[in-house]
Amino acid sequence: TQLLEQSPQFLSIQEGENLTVYCNSSSVFSSLQWYRQEPGEGPVLLVTVVTGGEVKKLKRLTFQFGDARKDSSLHITAAQPGDTGLYLCAGATPSGSWGKLQFGAGTQVVVTP
Amino acid sequence: DAGVIQSPRHEVTEMGQEVTLRCKPISGHDYLFWYRQTMMRGLELLIYFNNNVPIDDSGMPEDRFSAKMPNASFSTLKIQPSEPRDSAVYFCASSPRLWGARADTQYFGPGTRLTVL
Repeated sequence: TQLLEQSPQFLSIQEGENLTVYCNSSSVFSSLQWYRQEPGEGPVLLVTVVTGGEVKKLKRLTFQFGDARKDSSLHITAAQPGDTGLYLCAGATPSGSWGKLQFGAGTQVVVTP
Repeated sequence: DAGVIQSPRHEVTEMGQEVTLRCKPISGHDYLFWYRQTMMRGLELLIYFNNNVPIDDSGMPEDRFSAKMPNASFSTLKIQPSEPRDSAVYFCASSPRLWGARADTQYFGPGTRLTVL
């Protein structure tokens, strides 16, 4: 059973379209991270959010942490083929050991030209 | 910095054989993590070390799996004997520790793709 549920599992869109990926849980997290993984490589950190309601922007990517710190979303504006990859959310629980992250199953995003 | 280095990148072995995966973390990082990724189960934490000491090995699937970190620049994950269900991509990651931070960036290696026939 995944502590973090990601939706959708797969998303295929055309270049220029917008997309949103969701990460939900019944548990509270002290921080939540988003990673992107490309084929044949390890995940690479995109952002860390720590405060309920926090919004962070990274160029065309907007990350939001839910007020109750149980959920998060990633929105990509005007997607480009370079945004293709597996997007993973990962949460640190307040009672967990430092550095121990729970990963979601991921959302595979494909952006076609 | 060269980043986290893992070897081999690909390993094909037969059931029952011993497999050893190797990892060199980023210099100066205090934490080292071993993960396994499969389509069915996603990315799972197997074990992690702080200053070469194992902190949490609750994710190690069974006694066939063992991990060591003899020094700050090297770690191994061993599977003996290997089984087909161990086939997966195994990642090593390292992380510094920022004072007061709840979680810090984990820097992942390129992974080792293990196939057990």
